[in-house]
Amino acid sequence: DAGVTQSPTHLIKTRGQQVTLRCSPISGHKSVSWYQQVLGQGPQFIFQYYEKEERGRGNFPDRFSARQFPNYSSELNVNALLLGDSALYLCASSLGGGEFFGPGTRLTVL
Amino acid sequence: GQNIDQPTEMTATEGAIVQINCTYQTSGFNGLFWYQQHAGEAPTFLSYNVLDGLEEKGRFSSFLSRSKGYSYLLLKELQMKDSASYLCAVRDSNNAGNMLTFGGGTRLMVKP
Repeated sequence: DAGVTQSPTHLIKTRGQQVTLRCSPISGHKSVSWYQQVLGQGPQFIFQYYEKEERGRGNFPDRFSARQFPNYSSELNVNALLLGDSALYLCASSLGGGEFFGPGTRLTVL
Repeated sequence: GQNIDQPTEMTATEGAIVQINCTYQTSGFNGLFWYQQHAGEAPTFLSYNVLDGLEEKGRFSSFLSRSKGYSYLLLKELQMKDSASYLCAVRDSNNAGNMLTFGGGTRLMVKP
């Protein structure tokens, strides 16, 4: 069975640009969460979606938005990129227990 | 809110045993998770504790005391490949869904 998949793997953007990251959960998982992990720190929760509805939002500015599609895949959008948005963006899916993470998207903002 | 503390770094010798501690404060505890993360890779699930006691899974064991807000991850017969960061994460029942709050991670270095 395929695990959580994310695209792209790596991304380089400049300040002020916008970015869209994509995630496909494990087959059968209806919950998708997004986390930001800055180098040397633990992941920080950004959003959680379940059955296309937002169930939770972390302490991130409105520049960050997300959505979930009928097939349970998800997109994370970040507008007006700042240097501090450079991080590993992790998507995780869940069936009600632990979260299973995808390989992440490494975003570098120059 | 939640507060999760774990040591920043630990060093141990191949073949030895190491214990990584995690303390937490939360208003509505609903499970504690341990993840392993190798440099540049995603976290991989190691263990889950929701009741007090020890959960054993091969070379890895995890312990929980809810009254003390304390958990540890025990790694036995250390191997070089165990060099990684170990993340403690807590799920809070006050939050809708399964979102986790992570500690900063403990970077474990295994030396020959």
